[in-house]
Amino acid sequence: RKEVEQDPGPFNVPEGATVAFNCTYSNSASQSFFWYRQDCRKEPKLLMSVYSSGNEDGRFTAQLNRASQYISLLIRDSKLSDSATYLCAVNIGATGRRALTFGSGTRLQVQP
Amino acid sequence: DTAVSQTPKYLVTQMGNDKSIKCEQNLGHDTMYWYKQDSKKFLKIMFSYNNKELIINETVPNRFSPKSPDKAHLNLHINSLELGDSAVYFCASSQDRAGRSRGNEQFFGPGTRLTVL
Repeated sequence: RKEVEQDPGPFNVPEGATVAFNCTYSNSASQSFFWYRQDCRKEPKLLMSVYSSGNEDGRFTAQLNRASQYISLLIRDSKLSDSATYLCAVNIGATGRRALTFGSGTRLQVQP
Repeated sequence: DTAVSQTPKYLVTQMGNDKSIKCEQNLGHDTMYWYKQDSKKFLKIMFSYNNKELIINETVPNRFSPKSPDKAHLNLHINSLELGDSAVYFCASSQDRAGRSRGNEQFFGPGTRLTVL
């Protein structure tokens, strides 16, 4: 089983739709969780951290379920500019060892 | 005012050559990383340095040697390049906050696309 797993998609949705991605992780000692966005031929850019209580940033909502070991990302009112690959990232490291383990990414294509 | 920068952006070279990629961050972070993203877009940690000290060294061939002259720089030297080394190499940095599980967000450089012919 991979350490971090995501549905690769693609998810093809119309503008204005709500779309949700899930990501599961295998190590219960995981401490920090993130969603990154990666555009074609670009670097991953931090979209948001995921906190235990869940958090929201505009149209984006992230949730963490430690019991079931998954994180989710909800995008409301999708825009064309949301088309990208969304990577979930997890780290289990102690201080100074906080390298991220990434999922393989979920591709989102928002269509007009 | 680029936060994490890498040079070169593109690198095309022949098998067997030795090449270096440079990374610099001006965020004042104390931890820097090298990641490799292969043709299947899978992003994987290679090395991590914290305050110039090597912390993480994943199962990477010893042809790859990172060097951190100071906290703001982490370079990657690759000897005897092979076809399988073709990938995009990303540098990243973060501020390691001891004892905190929140934060430690990592910021990535633009990547170096290495093609070995």
